[in-house]
Amino acid sequence: GAVVSQHPSRVICKSGTSVKIECRSLDFQATTMFWYRQFPKQSLMLMATSNEGSKATYEQGVEKDKFLINHASLTLSTLTVTSAHPEDSSFYICSARGDRFTGELFFGEGSRLTVL
Amino acid sequence: QKEVEQDPGPLSVPEGAIVSLNCTYSNSAFQYFMWYRQYSRKGPELLMYTYSSGNKEDGRFTAQVDKSSKYISLFIRDSQPSDSATYLCAAASGGSYIPTFGRGTSLIVHP
Repeated sequence: GAVVSQHPSRVICKSGTSVKIECRSLDFQATTMFWYRQFPKQSLMLMATSNEGSKATYEQGVEKDKFLINHASLTLSTLTVTSAHPEDSSFYICSARGDRFTGELFFGEGSRLTVL
Repeated sequence: QKEVEQDPGPLSVPEGAIVSLNCTYSNSAFQYFMWYRQYSRKGPELLMYTYSSGNKEDGRFTAQVDKSSKYISLFIRDSQPSDSATYLCAAASGGSYIPTFGRGTSLIVHP
């Protein structure tokens, strides 16, 4: 299957700082990328959908000023957690799909964020 | 009621057993059905994808979809300890193509 690379895999930061997570599709052009948050033993919670070159669509209850998403190219999307607080600590996962929907979403390895 | 319901388990089986994992869904518009496997602290990987009702087999894995009862199943034959993971079912409609995930079932295959 296609490869999606997510970086960093783990990050620890102090409260009040901002953290950027990158998601890259390595061998296909990702017209759409999704960002998820996952709590322990819980399902994937969709945070936002981003299409290349346009503003992200956020799910209800997700603060767009807190979680900045940029999808500037067909291979890269970034999630920036601004002014992070301990309650933002979580596992963040990106996924990507190409032009043609085949039911396949390709996921990154996830990023574990810990805010002290 | 969540759109995709899945028992979180854990489900513990001996090596070699046939495993049955199930989900139910409520949205009649769902047409695409997927099963993902997620190992601890890793991103999910796609195992099976089916469109509409029917069966699909891939090696030891068989996916079944019954749209009349809104029931999704994944069967694993000859289960192995390496199959121990969380299995997530997902469904999507043809309109949005955005999958809705179940909460995942934790499977433990013990030697």
